[in-house]
Amino acid sequence: DAGVIQSPRHEVTEMGQEVTLRCKPISGHDYLFWYRQTMMRGLELLIYFNNNVPIDDSGMPEDRFSAKMPNASFSTLKIQPSEPRDSAVYFCASSLDYEQFFGPGTRLTVL
Amino acid sequence: AQSVTQLGSHVSVSEGALVLLRCNYSSSVPPYLFWYVQYPNQGLQLLLKYTSAATLVKGINGFEAEFKKSETSFHLTKPSAHMSDAAEYFCAVSEAGSARQLTFGSGTQLTVLP
Repeated sequence: DAGVIQSPRHEVTEMGQEVTLRCKPISGHDYLFWYRQTMMRGLELLIYFNNNVPIDDSGMPEDRFSAKMPNASFSTLKIQPSEPRDSAVYFCASSLDYEQFFGPGTRLTVL
Repeated sequence: AQSVTQLGSHVSVSEGALVLLRCNYSSSVPPYLFWYVQYPNQGLQLLLKYTSAATLVKGINGFEAEFKKSETSFHLTKPSAHMSDAAEYFCAVSEAGSARQLTFGSGTQLTVLP
């Protein structure tokens, strides 16, 4: 298996622009998690899905953030409009039991 | 609610010396416990996990951890540090029967000195 796939690996954008991050979980996994990692706040859980249904989005920082999982093999995290404070590494992870498998992350820089 | 405390945000050891990274947890039900490692510019990779079987858990790269219920601890050890062990290490907890959400500690950056 190729593991969790995230794209793009790096994204540089200007304040106010829309950003879409993509994730392909490991086939057969029924949970998908989105995290954000910064030096100041560490690793934060933003939202997670079970069988494509959002279960808990209490970690989503603002209404500017939204996430979807239209099918079992694809999820997106969208930021609109983006702000410099959104600069971070965003990770996607999937799981079949309690062990989570992480993707390589997307490093987002908002200028 | 569950929580994780990692003592020491930075730990330095000499190559060949013992590695000890500390993790204490709180949980209202039997926990599942994990150690993840993150190398620069990479995602988190599972080192080892405790899921209520043997209390001494062996993982990859020579690491092991012991679950001590009386001390609510799950410290990570390796007898002899290697330069390639330099990375950030995260302890995480999940509660059995929960929705598989992991609560992560704040991480410990391990430096290995030549």
